[in-house]
Amino acid sequence: GQSLEQPSEVTAVEGAIVQINCTYQTSGFYGLSWYQQHDGGAPTFLSYNALDGLEETGRFSSFLSRSDSYGYLLLQELQMKDSASYFCASIGQAGTALIFGKGTTLSVSS
Amino acid sequence: DAGVTQSPTHLIKTRGQQVTLRCSPKSGHDTVSWYQQALGQGPQFIFQYYEEEERQRGNFPDRFSGHQFPNYSSELNVNALLLGDSALYLCASSLRFSGNTIYFGEGSWLTVV
Repeated sequence: GQSLEQPSEVTAVEGAIVQINCTYQTSGFYGLSWYQQHDGGAPTFLSYNALDGLEETGRFSSFLSRSDSYGYLLLQELQMKDSASYFCASIGQAGTALIFGKGTTLSVSS
Repeated sequence: DAGVTQSPTHLIKTRGQQVTLRCSPKSGHDTVSWYQQALGQGPQFIFQYYEEEERQRGNFPDRFSGHQFPNYSSELNVNALLLGDSALYLCASSLRFSGNTIYFGEGSWLTVV
């Protein structure tokens, strides 16, 4: 079946760096996206990798390796407000997020 | 510039009833997708609308149907509600073929009793 696997929970302290991995097994894969969702809120777009390699956006970076069916989200200089759920999602040809992982809950402590 | 807006924000329905949820996409976006998110889970893709037609569909029964209007806004209809349909329903708008333009609305919380 089609799926994206990511760790269920990650904990870290303020100022640290954390990496959330995502392995995927999907058909019609065109790219990998990452979303942040705070409790009760809407998923917010963080990054999109259509090509292999690293994409950097401020404190957040994302990486994709198509040959390994693997990607990760790297969060640097962690802040308390980064405590949230993070989802990876496979993007189809039409630019639609078709399959989401179950999410990784990140808890940042002081 | 308003983002994606959804209505209603919360609603309670009885098993067997029908519900309609509404979505207005972000200005300039032409594609609307709908998702169901159960507590503690990732969003599940229901279907996508572009040019007023359903273009892609996830693994959801025919009880779930939708519509897109000429102004790109969209509706999600669910018939014969089941207790298991209780979830957060998210609408996302985007530009077709642009995977980095997906914006989500705040969602509609549906409780079926």
